[in-house]
Amino acid sequence: DGGITQSPKYLFRKEGQNVTLSCEQNLNHDAMYWYRQDPGQGLRLIYYSQIVNDFQKGDIAEGYSVSREKKESFPLTVTSAQKNPTAFYLCASSWAGGADEQFFGPGTRLTVL
Amino acid sequence: QKEVEQNSGPLSVPEGAIASLNCTYSDRGSQSFFWYRQYSGKSPELIMSIYSNGDKEDGRFTAQLNKASQYVSLLIRDSQPSDSATYLCAVKTGGFKTIFGAGTRLFVKA
Repeated sequence: DGGITQSPKYLFRKEGQNVTLSCEQNLNHDAMYWYRQDPGQGLRLIYYSQIVNDFQKGDIAEGYSVSREKKESFPLTVTSAQKNPTAFYLCASSWAGGADEQFFGPGTRLTVL
Repeated sequence: QKEVEQNSGPLSVPEGAIASLNCTYSDRGSQSFFWYRQYSGKSPELIMSIYSNGDKEDGRFTAQLNKASQYVSLLIRDSQPSDSATYLCAVKTGGFKTIFGAGTRLFVKA
């Protein structure tokens, strides 16, 4: 089955810890995205990548890092520099260029203890 | 002014009625418009895309676009309790970015 997977579904972080969220897609999409969703707010773009080995900061990149070593994978690291990381994190992918319909993975809910 | 605005709701309609969801956007260069449905605790699911002025129908859903008024809407005919969700409007701006609205909560009463 084609799709986007994210793991883990739930993640708990202690203060000062870095954690990495996984995102994998087998849709052969070129572009991948990370969003953060807080209650009552729209999706905010953290990072995006249009091709392998290249990525760009979104609107709220501070305290986050990414890599894009493979076309199908786009992991997100939430560093200790992110002061308010508790949120629902969504990974999406799309064909680069054109209409850019984005398709989402199931999400990871991160909670800081 | 927010780039993509939606009424937060909740919008409450009886079962079988038409639900009308509205969205305005600020970037006149926007070319692509999307509606997503998001159930509580789940990720957004794409339900409609529209790129040119006018109406686009898919089953019980109709998307309407008016670029002159910078307005896009989603109509849901014969609303069902299973349609109760938050509906996100998304607009691909003249640049690369897709901007999401905060969503409208829809509640369909049985």
